[in-house]
Amino acid sequence: EPEVTQTPSHQVTQMGQEVILRCVPISNHLYFYWYRQILGQKVEFLVSFYNNEISEKSEIFDDQFSVERPDGSNFTLKIRSTKLEDSAMYFCASSVGLAGGAEQFFGPGTRLTVL
Amino acid sequence: GESVGLHLPTLSVQEGDNSIINCAYSNSASDYFIWYKQESGKGPQFIIDIRSNMDKRQGQRVTVLLNKTVKHLSLQIAATQPGDSAVYFCAETHPNTGNQFYFGTGTSLTVIP
Repeated sequence: EPEVTQTPSHQVTQMGQEVILRCVPISNHLYFYWYRQILGQKVEFLVSFYNNEISEKSEIFDDQFSVERPDGSNFTLKIRSTKLEDSAMYFCASSVGLAGGAEQFFGPGTRLTVL
Repeated sequence: GESVGLHLPTLSVQEGDNSIINCAYSNSASDYFIWYKQESGKGPQFIIDIRSNMDKRQGQRVTVLLNKTVKHLSLQIAATQPGDSAVYFCAETHPNTGNQFYFGTGTSLTVIP
């Protein structure tokens, strides 16, 4: 069964450093998403991506964040200068269609720890 | 801002009993709802969805009920099994937000063998 994969499973970084979280969405999916979940809190939408551009982003997704689909398979989230409060689980998801019409499949997540 | 909340943070049930997990939402324009299951160390997994033009939808051992009048959503799990132990989230979206889902805080379900 096809699945969304994410690497690394755990990333530890120093405050102020740049991190890149990687995702491989399901191959025939067209919409890609990043969510984050701070420990013990709800899952929060960050950004959606379609046709090689951001289609929607939340208030959390400020100038420190960027996304890219560098090739036909990878989808990345970059945090330029990490802050302590960026520590969270980051989930990538993909879907065939739009949120209201297609299931979003989630990856296992990357746990980001900022020291 | 958006508010999707759950009534109970934890729920314990005996194996074989039915479970009911509740969720409240605040945006009357919400038109699509999903229940997700999240097991420890894993990402959310789709369970069942429902659109606002329906008030009930059934899947395998699961039923989702939608009451738009009071903006309330529930997930019923029949004959709960140990493998059902997880955190359950409701999520909603509405036409104004396109692809953006709003998640609730989650209810932790523990099934007692």
